[in-house]
Amino acid sequence: EPEVTQTPSHQVTQMGQEVILRCVPISNHLYFYWYRQILGQKVEFLVSFYNNEISEKSEIFDDQFSVERPDGSNFTLKIRSTKLEDSAMYFCASSDPGSPRGGDTEAFFGQGTRLTVV
Amino acid sequence: QKEVEQDPGPLSVPEGAIVSLNCTYSNSAFQYFMWYRQYSRKGPELLMYTYSSGNKEDGRFTAQVDKSSKYISLFIRDSQPSDSATYLCAMSGSGGGADGLTFGKGTHLIIQP
Repeated sequence: EPEVTQTPSHQVTQMGQEVILRCVPISNHLYFYWYRQILGQKVEFLVSFYNNEISEKSEIFDDQFSVERPDGSNFTLKIRSTKLEDSAMYFCASSDPGSPRGGDTEAFFGQGTRLTVV
Repeated sequence: QKEVEQDPGPLSVPEGAIVSLNCTYSNSAFQYFMWYRQYSRKGPELLMYTYSSGNKEDGRFTAQVDKSSKYISLFIRDSQPSDSATYLCAMSGSGGGADGLTFGKGTHLIIQP
């Protein structure tokens, strides 16, 4: 069964450093998303990406964040200068807007990258 | 304002019981309603999807949406210990793909053998 894969599973970084979280969405999907979940908190939407550009972003997704689809398979989230409060699980998701249920209503999530900023 | 409320629990029930999980929301623009299951330190897994008001059944799971009350429910019949997980409700205003999902905090469900 196709799945969204994320690497690494756990990343530890020092405050102020840049990190890149990587995702390989399901191959025929066209919408890509990043969400984050701070420990004990809700899963929060960060950004959606379609046709090589950002479709929508939340207030959380400020200038320190960026996304990129550098090739035909990877989708990345870059955090430029990490802060302690960026520590969270980051989930990548993808969906097929042509599916009968519509786009984000059938979003498939990866297993997440646990980011720890020290 | 997008806001979804969900009792975090924990909700503990004996095996075989019927489980009722609920969410309320405030944004009348939400049209698509989903339930995800999340095991510890794993990604959310889509269980059920419902568009607008009504019921939907899939095996032991039934999802209900009452848009007039801004209230959604997930029922699990014949609950099993393997159903123990955190259940997240999620919703969006459009099914087109760009609109991100708004999640509840999740209800931690424990099914006692």
